[in-house]
Amino acid sequence: EVQLVESGGGLVQPGGSLRLSCAASGFTFSDHNMDWVRQASGKGLEWVGRSRNKADGYITEYAASVEGRFTISRDDSKNSLYLQMNSLKTEDTAVYYCARDSYGSGDYWGQGTLVTVSS
Amino acid sequence: DVVMTQSPLSLPVTLGQPASISCRSSQSLVYSDGNTYLHWFQQRPGQSPRRLIYQVSNRDSGVPDRFSGSGSGTDFTLKISRVEAEDVGIYYCMQGTHWPLTFGGGTRVEIK
Repeated sequence: EVQLVESGGGLVQPGGSLRLSCAASGFTFSDHNMDWVRQASGKGLEWVGRSRNKADGYITEYAASVEGRFTISRDDSKNSLYLQMNSLKTEDTAVYYCARDSYGSGDYWGQGTLVTVSS
Repeated sequence: DVVMTQSPLSLPVTLGQPASISCRSSQSLVYSDGNTYLHWFQQRPGQSPRRLIYQVSNRDSGVPDRFSGSGSGTDFTLKISRVEAEDVGIYYCMQGTHWPLTFGGGTRVEIK
């Protein structure tokens, strides 16, 4: 059974940093591109970025709203995806989901982890 | 960025009746490989999003066949042939053809 479990969310002050993790199981993690998607409370879905697999050169891509502040990485040996978030802003407050990419979008999603940026 | 426009914003439906959601993109979603990366997601209250349809018309595993997707180019539709109570939630279209990936604003399906 495919499972994605996010962790690492919490309360952080503006300008601070946080690192989210996504633990994957039930599939060959190294074969898949992986996405981060976020959702502010009561709002729609916003794609944050993608980590491509080894076959695609481990390329990472980001939304303009987070480029230069967020960094996506992965450790295929640990079946894990990460999101390092620096210089956090209040508008980064959201539930962050990781999703497995298949056929160009997320076919499996985690339960999400809440990040709150507030003083 | 490609803008995804969904309509209606809210869709009250009688149980057992059909429902249809429109999604329009500001650019063609046909990729250079010939595929069209337009996908549909359902988000039930309090749950994570779930993909229903990938690449316009392909149902994901376990998705009831009352859900169907169609369209081409810039104009796409998600149809529910007979709405059931468990279909209540917000539906999003998403394009994966152009970077950055973008979602529609969502359509809330509710029971009358």
